[in-house]
Amino acid sequence: GIQVEQSPPDLILQEGANSTLRCNFSDSVNNLQWFHQNPWGQLINLFYIPSGTKQNGRLSATTVATERYSLLYISSSQTTDSGVYFCEINDMRFGAGTRLTVKP
Amino acid sequence: EAGVVQSPRYKIIEKKQPVAFWCNPISGHNTLYWYRQNLGQGPELLIRYENEEAVDDSQLPKDRFSAERLKGVDSTLKIQPAELGDSAVYLCASSYDRDAFFGQGTRLTVV
Repeated sequence: GIQVEQSPPDLILQEGANSTLRCNFSDSVNNLQWFHQNPWGQLINLFYIPSGTKQNGRLSATTVATERYSLLYISSSQTTDSGVYFCEINDMRFGAGTRLTVKP
Repeated sequence: EAGVVQSPRYKIIEKKQPVAFWCNPISGHNTLYWYRQNLGQGPELLIRYENEEAVDDSQLPKDRFSAERLKGVDSTLKIQPAELGDSAVYLCASSYDRDAFFGQGTRLTVV
């Protein structure tokens, strides 16, 4: 089946810093979503982005389907951004996630 | 709009006992998913329903796991008998078109 790899596995930032999270996938995708799992375990849908670029406040995402990757950008990070960010593709297959810790 | 509701939030059982989880999806969402999430890992799909039909249950351990979705709305996931390795968070999600919404999950501990 299709493989999903996320990097980096862990990321520690100082509040206010910017970051880029990456999701690589091994085959063509019809659907791609980014989720944030907060420290209490709740998964929140951030973007549905099988291709192109979207922005929502301090977050934006870009998927280049032909090159099989997607990027999630977080600008001016806040402590509330802490948690695990997952990339999910096609048949709801999740990557292992990037654990983000934002320090005050 | 109410989100995906799961119950119970927490469950502790002894091994070999049965356990059931319940999920009420967002109204109008025809697709329902059950996931298992082990500590430090991403969610793993167990089963996906389109209305009442299970369209993908390839990852469901059918010897001990079963699921049903009555009338294409609520769903129940059952484990019988539970094993120590079943300890995990069980997540339910629903979607209408593409965006999936998750419940808060049920944390199962098998002792």
